[in-house]
Parts: sequence; C-alpha cells; structure tokens
Amino acid sequence: ETGVTQTPRHLVMGMTNKKSLKCEQHLGHNAMYWYKQSAKKPLELMFVYNFKEQTENNSVPSRFSPECPNSSHLFLHLHTLQPEDSALYLCASSQDWAGGSYEQYFGPGTRLTVT
Amino acid sequence: AQSVTQLGSHVSVSEGALVLLRCNYSSSVPPYLFWYVQYPNQGLQLLLKYTSAATLVKGINGFEAEFKKSETSFHLTKPSAHMSDAAEYFCAVRVNTGGFKTIFGAGTRLFVKA
Repeated sequence: ETGVTQTPRHLVMGMTNKKSLKCEQHLGHNAMYWYKQSAKKPLELMFVYNFKEQTENNSVPSRFSPECPNSSHLFLHLHTLQPEDSALYLCASSQDWAGGSYEQYFGPGTRLTVT
Repeated sequence: AQSVTQLGSHVSVSEGALVLLRCNYSSSVPPYLFWYVQYPNQGLQLLLKYTSAATLVKGINGFEAEFKKSETSFHLTKPSAHMSDAAEYFCAVRVNTGGFKTIFGAGTRLFVKA
C-alpha cells in the first residue's frame, strides 16, 4: 500500500450503532488529520495529531472520538451519531503539523450514512 | 482573521478553452497557498503550492497559479482544458498565527464540455 489508505470506504450505520473508521499512512509523516466533507459546505477540520499527541480539536461533539496509537495510524470512533453526521470523512497526513509549507496528503475517504 | 474565497462554485468551459479558477485570501501574515483537486470518489490531491519563492508556480497536469500580493489573489489557470480536468478544485491558505492552520475555500466545481 502507498499513500494514505482508509477503511471502510462506505459505511451505513444506525444512530445507536458503534463503529470505527481507520486511516493508515505509509509516507513516514508525523501529523495526521480528520476532516468532514459535507455537500455545499467547506472542508471542516475535526482533529489534528502530531507525533501521536492531539494538537487540535475543533469543538467536535463527543460522539466522535479519535485515537492515534502511533504516527502511522489514526482512528475515528463513532457512537450515537445523528443523521446530520452523514458525510465524507477524509483522513490526511503531512510531514509535520508545524511546517508552513507542508502540504497534506489525503486518503480516499469513508462515505458515512447515518440512518 | 484568515479566510479564503473562491469566486464561483461552478465553472463551465469547453474542451480546449482556458481554465481560470479564482481564489482570494485574507491574511495578516505571509501565507503559504495551495491548490488541491478532488476527483469523484477520491480524496484531495495537491496540484501546486506557493511557498514564497517564485510568484508563478507550476503544478501537475499543466496547471499553474500566480501569487499576487497586491491583489491578495492566487488564481489557478490552465491554457487548454481537457475532459479529464473535470473535478472540484480547492484553494487553501496556511498561516502561522501562534500555530499553523490550514483554511480551505468552499471549492469550485469545473465542468468541461466536449
């Protein structure tokens, strides 16, 4: 595998379910990100991890719980979601969170539908 | 506050025509600027970036962008559109305000007509 991979690619879950999204980067980067992409809205940054430490949490509801066990893996644990949480969830990585010129490398996303 | 504005949520061009996607930013400190492209069912992919070297930046797939400080703009151009250019394009600004933050524009969807 190369780049940033995400699993699953599609997920349908009920509001009472618990599920997890997985992201893995094969680029040797130190920073990883979760974004939410909804139709007709700008990309929303959810969480940032740098060297496994959370550096940003942009007022994300507690029903979303991130986990970063090492610099290569990032999880997003989901529970008791709402229909408005249906969106494309994108994972990204960059060489470092503190570098201004560092671009982000994105995974293909997980299309989440909450029923 | 930092912000990015992409003028036009949809742009339609004919195959072979000039592509011009507009991006204006607001920043109180020198920015780093990026253009990303998103094809259907895929994540974002970097097209090009400005990092205070040359003001005219060349990217992949024949795209280029020019940083104009006086106009606070970073418009994306391509001389001749190809059908495969149909996608959504995002401008982003990255600034250091006591920690780096990346702010994305709302995106412009490019349609290419045969």
